[in-house]
Amino acid sequence: GQQVMQIPQYQHVQEGEDFTTYCNSSTTLSNIQWYKQRPGGHPVFLIQLVKSGEVKKQKRLTFQFGEAKKNSSLHITATQTTDVGTYFCAGDRGSTLGRLYFGRGTQLTVWP
Amino acid sequence: GAVVSQHPSWVICKSGTSVKIECRSLDFQATTMFWYRQFPKQSLMLMATSNEGSKATYEQGVEKDKFLINHASLTLSTLTVTSAHPEDSSFYICSAGQGANSPLHFGNGTRLTVT
Repeated sequence: GQQVMQIPQYQHVQEGEDFTTYCNSSTTLSNIQWYKQRPGGHPVFLIQLVKSGEVKKQKRLTFQFGEAKKNSSLHITATQTTDVGTYFCAGDRGSTLGRLYFGRGTQLTVWP
Repeated sequence: GAVVSQHPSWVICKSGTSVKIECRSLDFQATTMFWYRQFPKQSLMLMATSNEGSKATYEQGVEKDKFLINHASLTLSTLTVTSAHPEDSSFYICSAGQGANSPLHFGNGTRLTVT
């Protein structure tokens, strides 16, 4: 089945506070990808992590891939109102077809 | 960057009718496209993998006779919801990548409402 767990489901923060969402897979992943979906929009690719223990940064966003390649996290430092949206992790189990299985997403609300 | 176009963006149909949704990769060839379904405030559920020139691969629990997928060319995949019922109302999104381990590029989605 499609078993990529993501928590929390909702997060409300005040602007300037940090935010973290966590993803966990029941199986080892070949890579994990993160997407952001704004209300009413479609998912937009943020980043892909491939290597065990990999850490990547995009300005205020830090992405980590666990040593066992089963979990991942996205951390946003000093949130801004433009960070509002739902963040999805998506795991690739390494099939040649490149199918991705999405976590349920974390909906981030930022109060000004 | 890679662009995926999906049409229509929304459709309202009567129960029992069929609806076709198109997904096109505009500036790259996609031998594989993916169809997802998303309920309000929920995750994207992979429905099927569309393979150019061959049969689609459906995920467990997805009725292949109800959700017909055709991938006739390297740039076009279609999803037809046959004999639609109100419970089929949802947001359908297609995506395409440029190979395994590559990021997906999503269409804008189709909001289907069955009355």
